[in-house]
Amino acid sequence: QKEVEQNSGPLSVPEGAIASLNCTYSDRGSQSFFWYRQYSGKSPELIMSIYSNGDKEDGRFTAQLNKASQYVSLLIRDSQPSDSATYLCAVIPGNYGQNFVFGPGTRLSVLP
Amino acid sequence: SQTIHQWPATLVQPVGSPLSLECTVEGTSNPNLYWYRQAAGRGLQLLFYSVGIGQISSEVPQNLSASRPQDRQFILSSKKLLLSDSGFYLCAWSGTLYNEQFFGPGTRLTVL
Repeated sequence: QKEVEQNSGPLSVPEGAIASLNCTYSDRGSQSFFWYRQYSGKSPELIMSIYSNGDKEDGRFTAQLNKASQYVSLLIRDSQPSDSATYLCAVIPGNYGQNFVFGPGTRLSVLP
Repeated sequence: SQTIHQWPATLVQPVGSPLSLECTVEGTSNPNLYWYRQAAGRGLQLLFYSVGIGQISSEVPQNLSASRPQDRQFILSSKKLLLSDSGFYLCAWSGTLYNEQFFGPGTRLTVL
């Protein structure tokens, strides 16, 4: 049973558009949610964390959390070719212990 | 600021040979430390985590072991590598178990 699911993509968007990346999780007790970006051949780097329902904005990035629907998303405004990467969603489940569970990632391609 | 180091960056080893990967963290005390493996085209799999010197928890049964001889040093080992041990090995640290994790640059291991 997968605990964190993401569409593997690739998701292709034109430069300047909004990219919307989605993640669903199975443990209703989860409290902590994270988005990472991973360029090909590199290690993941943290983009944002979100803990409460609603939106959290940081520059061109907005994370949205809906615990009732068990859904977390990442919006990237004014997408740039440099945003092309795999985006990993990570969740700390409420009943699994204290460790991250990563989704398989969504590959984003921003076309110039 | 905190920095996490991993070495070597790449490694090619024959089946049956031993393995030792090292991870060190600078700029923080008593970090939580993690070893992940990412197989080609796959998600991140948590292998081990440690909350303190000499304290190791294993997430999955496998051919690998981990040790934490010093506060900011985490070592991943194997006595005899298998072909299935190939992958991208990532060390990460966090300040607490419920907070963001930060990844090192990774070690790409190929077992032939």
